[in-house]
Amino acid sequence: DTAVSQTPKYLVTQMGNDKSIKCEQNLGHDTMYWYKQDSKKFLKIMFSYNNKELIINETVPNRFSPKSPDKAHLNLHINSLELGDSAVYFCASSQDMAQETQYFGPGTRLLVL
Amino acid sequence: GENVEQHPSTLSVQEGDSAVIKCTYSDSASNYFPWYKQELGKRPQLIIDIRSNVGEKKDQRIAVTLNKTAKHFSLHITETQPEDSAVYFCAAKGNFGNEKLTFGTGTRLTIIP
Repeated sequence: DTAVSQTPKYLVTQMGNDKSIKCEQNLGHDTMYWYKQDSKKFLKIMFSYNNKELIINETVPNRFSPKSPDKAHLNLHINSLELGDSAVYFCASSQDMAQETQYFGPGTRLLVL
Repeated sequence: GENVEQHPSTLSVQEGDSAVIKCTYSDSASNYFPWYKQELGKRPQLIIDIRSNVGEKKDQRIAVTLNKTAKHFSLHITETQPEDSAVYFCAAKGNFGNEKLTFGTGTRLTIIP
């Protein structure tokens, strides 16, 4: 009955590798987001999608490519991982773009060695 | 774009006392101000929010006040309990549907038993 879920929960990988994080919401929401939380706990938006359409792209390196196969899923693929990509990545969703309340997933802790 | 500043970055209060966290925002068009609580290792969760047509909102021991003229809003927690220990984030969002939620830098609140 989890509202917003992410996999994997933990990801440890070497520099230069490519990895993906998956997010699914079963709330029937139209809008989904990816946030990055760094070691200082700063929460910054990376992308938002509304009904599979990219709405916000926050000056994120193009090594990061989100993909929304349907409105219940928003995946994040990262190419050529760098040390600075180490962070916790949170997926979130909201009813639609006008509804402000966002529900966060449990997070994916990424460590790049 | 919007800039949200949050103070203090850390706050310790004795159990039973009150805690106040303050945020300022830069964009006068912002009209939605949520507060999120993030416990250690967990996801951010919405605890209370306020819209710009309201000056104050209360939910049991938690209240939020908004001063639109001064562009600042505050979170008040009364009768603090150990389970209130967490990182608290304020955020601000503009009026248009595709505007992002901009988070403050977080306040680590510790309740001393």
